[in-house]
Amino acid sequence: DTGVSQDPRHKITKRGQNVTFRCDPISEHNRLYWYRQTLGQGPEFLTYFQNEAQLEKSRLLSDRFSAERPKGSFSTLEIQRTEQGDSAMYLCASSPRLAGDTDTQYFGPGTRLTVL
Amino acid sequence: SQKIEQNSEALNIQEGKTATLTCNYTNYSPAYLQWYRQDPGRGPVFLLLIRENEKEKRKERLKVTFDTTLKQSLFHITASQPADSATYLCALVGTGNQFYFGTGTSLTVIP
Repeated sequence: DTGVSQDPRHKITKRGQNVTFRCDPISEHNRLYWYRQTLGQGPEFLTYFQNEAQLEKSRLLSDRFSAERPKGSFSTLEIQRTEQGDSAMYLCASSPRLAGDTDTQYFGPGTRLTVL
Repeated sequence: SQKIEQNSEALNIQEGKTATLTCNYTNYSPAYLQWYRQDPGRGPVFLLLIRENEKEKRKERLKVTFDTTLKQSLFHITASQPADSATYLCALVGTGNQFYFGTGTSLTVIP
């Protein structure tokens, strides 16, 4: 399977713990996005990278959230001191952004986080 | 801030009929708009893209229209099938390349 993969698929943690999620994009895609989705809502933009550079972060992304893409390939999203309100599906998407082209996103299966 | 509204109620239609889903937005001027399909427990899958200077796009049984004056996009599935049952999301994309998704419309096609 050459699609976007995410690990783990499910994570249950206690409030106050730190969690880290990983996303492996489609290999030739240079853009990578992170979203959060809660039940009955659409994906909510968190941040995105072009290669290893983090180009934009949502104002909704608190200081407890940090994302990296150190070599321009896989990315990690860390949440520190988790709160119950962080419970959601965390989606990763990649896109083969080309100069002058529009952006089409390919989503992974998501990581479902439950904070107890 | 921008606001994106999709059909607030779930849509149930009979197999073979045309499903029409709406996406209305305010406080935004997107460069283009996309429609995605999402099945339960899975990530969204891209379906169609339409640019601000395009009025209509088609792909097989799918058709999208985009009216920047009304700030509305319509998504049509003709000859609907039970396999079309899913949640459909519209996404607005600005020049800054940030994606804004609607809440989605749940479609059920009844055999």
